[in-house]
Amino acid sequence: DQQVKQNSPSLSVQEGRISILNCDYTNSMFDYFLWYKKYPAEGPTFLISISSIKDKNEDGRFTVFLNKSAKHLSLHIVPSQPGDSAVYFCAASDSGGGADGLTFGKGTHLIIQP
Amino acid sequence: EAGVAQSPRYKIIEKRQSVAFWCNPISGHATLYWYQQILGQGPKLLIQFQNNGVVDDSQLPKDRFSAERLKGVDSTLKIQPAKLEDSAVYLCASSLDRRNEQFFGPGTRLTVL
Repeated sequence: DQQVKQNSPSLSVQEGRISILNCDYTNSMFDYFLWYKKYPAEGPTFLISISSIKDKNEDGRFTVFLNKSAKHLSLHIVPSQPGDSAVYFCAASDSGGGADGLTFGKGTHLIIQP
Repeated sequence: EAGVAQSPRYKIIEKRQSVAFWCNPISGHATLYWYQQILGQGPKLLIQFQNNGVVDDSQLPKDRFSAERLKGVDSTLKIQPAKLEDSAVYLCASSLDRRNEQFFGPGTRLTVL
């Protein structure tokens, strides 16, 4: 049972345009959400996070939106740059649970075209 | 600041053999995690340590996998005996404390033939 779903395995966007990556979750106990970026042969790198008490968090070109009623979050990258080409993982955790491990989606491969 | 170190980076073994992976977390990080990432999937948590104690090992296949974190610093993950389905990248992550941002190492890619 996949608790975090990223339904788009890949996404191609032109340089300078907006990239929108989507993520859905099923576990209503999740209250902290993160996006990680991964290049080949490297470990995931933290990008941005959002707590369930917020519906938006911004950091430079990256904005994450959270819609709790729909159990949906999205990552917006504006403007998209060639270096943004990577696999993006959505992850979630339940801070009220006994452990802190993250539950990840399968990832979306973002390709920025020149 | 040095990142999370892992070794070896690659390992090829035959099924039923044993293998061990090593992780050195970021200095001062109390919490350490091992994740398994099968090709085409997201990372899946295997075990979480807080200092040298286990917080969560509910998804660790304990009949063949074991892990330890001696003195609350370095950690080793062992598989004995390995199966074909253990082929994956094994990622180690650390955080300053519980519920803090997790920093990942580069991973160890295991191929079981």
